[in-house]
Amino acid sequence: DGGITQSPKYLFRKEGQNVTLSCEQNLNHDAMYWYRQDPGQGLRLIYYSQIVNDFQKGDIAEGYSVSREKKESFPLTVTSAQKNPTAFYLCATSPQGAFNQPQHFGDGTRLSIL
Amino acid sequence: AQSVSQHNHHVILSEAASLELGCNYSYGGTVNLFWYVQYPGQHLQLLLKYFSGDPLVKGIKGFEAEFIKSKFSFNLRKPSVQWSDTAEYFCAVNAKNYGGSQGNLIFGKGTKLSVKP
Repeated sequence: DGGITQSPKYLFRKEGQNVTLSCEQNLNHDAMYWYRQDPGQGLRLIYYSQIVNDFQKGDIAEGYSVSREKKESFPLTVTSAQKNPTAFYLCATSPQGAFNQPQHFGDGTRLSIL
Repeated sequence: AQSVSQHNHHVILSEAASLELGCNYSYGGTVNLFWYVQYPGQHLQLLLKYFSGDPLVKGIKGFEAEFIKSKFSFNLRKPSVQWSDTAEYFCAVNAKNYGGSQGNLIFGKGTKLSVKP
C-alpha cells in the first residue's frame, strides 16, 4: 500500500541466526501489525502495536520479537527460536487500533531458510 | 474462539461467469467485515467493507458482498468475472469487544480464483 515500506523484499536466514524485517510507514497511523502468511493458512497475527512503546502478542508470537520506539517504525525480529520461519511476512497499519478502521498492507518480505 | 471460514480453497471460472465466494464467521456480537484481494505479486488491498447500515455493500471493480446476520455470512459476488480478477481473496472479521484489541482482524484462509480467458 502507498506509504508502507517493507524491506528487504527477500531474506535468507541461516540456522541459529536472528533476522530483522523492517516496516516503515509515513501514513501517520497509530496502529501497526505483523502477519505471517503461509499457503492455505491465510494471515495470522504475530504482534501488534497501538501506540509507541507498547505492543501486544498476537496468535503466533512465539519465536518473534518486536519494538515500537517510533510511530513510523515497527521492526520484527525472527529469532532462532522460531523453528519454521519460512513464510511471507506482511506489515499493516491502521489510523488507530479501533473497531471500524480497515488495515493497509505493505508489499511483504519473503523469508527463506538457507 | 472467533474464526472465519472460507469454504472454497480454489475456484476456477471462465470469463463472464458469475462468482460467489463464501465466508462465514463465528462471533455473536457486533462485527465489522472485510474482503481483501491479493493480485499476483501485489500487496493485499481492501476490496470492500461492511460496518453498518445497508447489508449489501459495493466495492471496487464491480464486486459486492451481502451481510446476512442470521447466517453469520458475508459472501462476495461479482456478476461477470474477468481474467484480471485472477487473485486470492481473503475474508476478515473485526469483532467488537473481542480479545485485547478492537482493531485486530481475524482472516479466513483465502480462496484462490483463477479465471480462464
